Amino acid sequence: EIVLTQSPGTLSLSPGERATLSCRASQSVGIKYLAWYQQKLGQAPRLLIYGTSNRATGIPDRFSGSGSGTDFTLTIGRLDPEDFAVYYCQQYDRSPWTFGQGTRVEIK
Amino acid sequence: QVRLQESGPGLVKPSETLSLSCAVSGATITSNTYYWGWVRQPPGRGLEWIGDIYYSGLTYYNPSLISRVTISLDTSRTHFSLNLTSVTAADTAVYYCARRPYLRAFEIWGQGTMVTVSS
Repeated sequence: EIVLTQSPGTLSLSPGERATLSCRASQSVGIKYLAWYQQKLGQAPRLLIYGTSNRATGIPDRFSGSGSGTDFTLTIGRLDPEDFAVYYCQQYDRSPWTFGQGTRVEIK
Repeated sequence: QVRLQESGPGLVKPSETLSLSCAVSGATITSNTYYWGWVRQPPGRGLEWIGDIYYSGLTYYNPSLISRVTISLDTSRTHFSLNLTSVTAADTAVYYCARRPYLRAFEIWGQGTMVTVSS
């Protein structure tokens, strides 16, 4: 199975700062098949990005995704207080679909 | 607006079968556009895909669970279900049902239901 490794484990930033989250795959993932989710405490995950760089419905444009092959990035342009949460990448290129272990973005 | 809602027992004894249902409103699960799936999350940990079902009944399972898991469509076509047999404490988790378009990510999620495996 494709193992996704996210880094860093925790990112401590202030509102207004830029966040850069990394997701590295153990095998190449097609760009159509990489997604990012946001999860807040006690809530279900929310789809942010699909197909590496496409924002899901209603997602603000401060969220952007990029990458190819085995290296993918989620960037949050300017952190809003509501953006402090855990972020997961997921591949749906090859079954079993797998998720990264998550990156926590916390308030510094 | 499409909504998914999980339901089922919050407590299951070890070695027994975990059974959950996902009610779908605002959409039909007979659509050939979507897959309907289950994802779980142990307390304080990450997400694990369990499996998906297509409107035709075709299923896809995580190999780590394939010997114990069954996902099915309700004959009313308004629910789909998860059965996980021979549960242990390692199956304690929040279980989510979710929808994904063909070749796409999980775009709509239920709120999740906590299932604890304990005697």
